[in-house]
Amino acid sequence: AQSVSQHNHHVILSEAASLELGCNYSYGGTVNLFWYVQYPGQHLQLLLKYFSGDPLVKGIKGFEAEFIKSKFSFNLRKPSVQWSDTAEYFCAVNYKRTGANNLFFGTGTRLTVIP
Amino acid sequence: ETGVTQTPRHLVMGMTNKKSLKCEQHLGHNAMYWYKQSAKKPLELMFVYSLEERVENNSVPSRFSPECPNSSHLFLHLHTLQPEDSALYLCASSQDNGRDALDEQFFGPGTRLTVL
Repeated sequence: AQSVSQHNHHVILSEAASLELGCNYSYGGTVNLFWYVQYPGQHLQLLLKYFSGDPLVKGIKGFEAEFIKSKFSFNLRKPSVQWSDTAEYFCAVNYKRTGANNLFFGTGTRLTVIP
Repeated sequence: ETGVTQTPRHLVMGMTNKKSLKCEQHLGHNAMYWYKQSAKKPLELMFVYSLEERVENNSVPSRFSPECPNSSHLFLHLHTLQPEDSALYLCASSQDNGRDALDEQFFGPGTRLTVL
């Protein structure tokens, strides 16, 4: 069965620290990959996405993610976090063979940035 | 402000009640989704409508009944729910271009449902 794993449930960092959030997905053929973010009191919104091409994807607010096919991973990174990055981060995977509308989410990682 | 709105934002209902959740998207999309978000569990896709036809129904109990009267509106009709159905219900929309790739989904703020 398709699944998405986010092993870090809660990450606490000081401002200016570097961030890496892990995301692994189960094998299932060709995939499209997404990171969504949910700021406190706000709706889920797209941070970045990977469909094809350069496996290093840059998103909004200085975030980037790297698709490593051999490791079934799509980790999210940011070199220097800010207090405003405090939010919940969700990795999501579309397995193309399950249909273009089917998106599988991880359980989310809560990031707390301390000023 | 999101292009996807949901009402009500909070709902408390008894197990014998019938209620409906409403979602409206103002983005001109042709696909809409219902998700369930429970604590410590991944978002679960419940229903997908593309071009107003139901595409996916991921084995959701029949006490949840979706309705998509047009491409801008989506409803989730609820009846005889159980306490374990208490969760945040999210609506999303996207543009389904018929290609073999999922485009970005835009989410609403959700309806926080509590079943007593």
